[in-house]
Amino acid sequence: DVKVTQSSRYLVKRTGEKVFLECVQDMDHENMFWYRQDPGLGLRLIYFSYDVKMKEKGDIPEGYSVSREKKERFSLILESASTNQTSMYLCASSYIARMSSYNEQFFGPGTRLTVL
Amino acid sequence: RKEVEQDPGPFNVPEGATVAFNCTYSNSASQSFFWYRQDCRKEPKLLMSVYSSGNEDGRFTAQLNRASQYISLLIRDSKLSDSATYLCADNAGGTSYGKLTFGQGTILTVHP
Repeated sequence: DVKVTQSSRYLVKRTGEKVFLECVQDMDHENMFWYRQDPGLGLRLIYFSYDVKMKEKGDIPEGYSVSREKKERFSLILESASTNQTSMYLCASSYIARMSSYNEQFFGPGTRLTVL
Repeated sequence: RKEVEQDPGPFNVPEGATVAFNCTYSNSASQSFFWYRQDCRKEPKLLMSVYSSGNEDGRFTAQLNRASQYISLLIRDSKLSDSATYLCADNAGGTSYGKLTFGQGTILTVHP
């Protein structure tokens, strides 16, 4: 069974704090993704990585950075948390797809971040 | 226009009903499509993949219409346990990095 774990289920931080969200997968997947999910807006891609030390911006990268030093771990960093970053953050992983039919993404349980 | 659009609902149906959701996509280069199910306060999980014209799994049928650029999900004989948010996704124009573009989700509530 594929397992994607996230470091915290719930997190409360103050405006201006630096926040680290950690994600670990145990299936040797090449791809890893960070999304945020907000009511009415669905899942929006923040950043993704297709290899160690490689990263690509998603649709909403502003205010975020990422780090992938090891294949199994992908970290999302909020350099200076703001109240509009209060959201559910979901990590996902998948294989590199030679054929597009193998794009299934496996999600972690999510981290609900509140920035006060 | 959003790349992947869904009617957010909510759809409220009685047990035993048949319900269908549509999802439109704008990128004609997209090659594969997915339906994910997300229970309240849980992560999305893959329900079905759609690569060609359609796919069927028990009470669930997914169909793809490339000419009109939409996919549909049909649920027959609805159960209370089918209550969830259903997210559709496409493979973002066939990118090789496995990137998916998700719709905002359709909320389904099945009542007794």
